[in-house]
Amino acid sequence: QKEVEQDPGPLSVPEGAIVSLNCTYSNSAFQYFMWYRQYSRKGPELLMYTYSSGNKEDGRFTAQVDKSSKYISLFIRDSQPSDSATYLCAMSAYGNNRLAFGKGNQVVVIP
Amino acid sequence: EAQVTQNPRYLITVTGKKLTVTCSQNMNHEYMSWYRQDPGLGLRQIYYSMNVEVTDKGDVPEGYKVSRKEKRNFPLILESPSPNQTSLYFCASSLSTRTGAYGYTFGSGTRLTVV
Repeated sequence: QKEVEQDPGPLSVPEGAIVSLNCTYSNSAFQYFMWYRQYSRKGPELLMYTYSSGNKEDGRFTAQVDKSSKYISLFIRDSQPSDSATYLCAMSAYGNNRLAFGKGNQVVVIP
Repeated sequence: EAQVTQNPRYLITVTGKKLTVTCSQNMNHEYMSWYRQDPGLGLRQIYYSMNVEVTDKGDVPEGYKVSRKEKRNFPLILESPSPNQTSLYFCASSLSTRTGAYGYTFGSGTRLTVV
C-alpha cells in the first residue's frame, strides 16, 4: 500500500461549482497535513496547513482531516477559472521534516 | 522577497556531460531538499539536507550528488546524466523544527532534457 494515495483525476468543473479533492494515507504517525497548489510551469505553493484532525477554513478553501479514517479533503467553494491547477496533498509525522506527497489532482474550472 | 531560486530554468544536455543545477534560498532555512516530478509518479525526493554539511538520500538518489557547504545553497549535481534523468526538478526549503515539517517553499523548477 502506498504511503499517500491521491486519485490523479483530471477533474473538470463549471465555474461556481464546489471542487472536492481527497487523499488517503497509511501511516498513522502523520500529524501535519498540507495542500499545495501548482500552476503550470510553476513550483508548488502551500495553500492550506492543518495539524491533527478537524477543519480549517481560509476564504473559499476548506481543509478537513479525519485521522480515524486516514482521510483528508480539500473543498473549493465558488470555483473560479484561476483555481485551475494541480493540487497536491502532503503530510508529515511529528519530529520529521520529510513530507510525503500525493501524486496530485489536476483541476480545470470551465468558465 | 522570500524565495527559493533555481538555475537554470531549462537545460538540454547530452548523455554523460556533467551538470549542476543551483539552488539558493534567502529565508535562513535549515532544511533543503531536491525533488523530481514525472507524469504519473508525482514528486519524488532525491536528496535532502537538515543543515550545513548534513545531507542524506531520499527515495531516488541514484545518479545524483548534492553538497551543503553554506546554509543558503544546495546544488544538485549530475556527474554523468542519462536520458532517464530527463525530468522536472524542484528545490525546496523549510524551517527545521523538532515538532515537524512546516510548509516547504519551492523553487520555480528546472526542466532538464538529456539526449
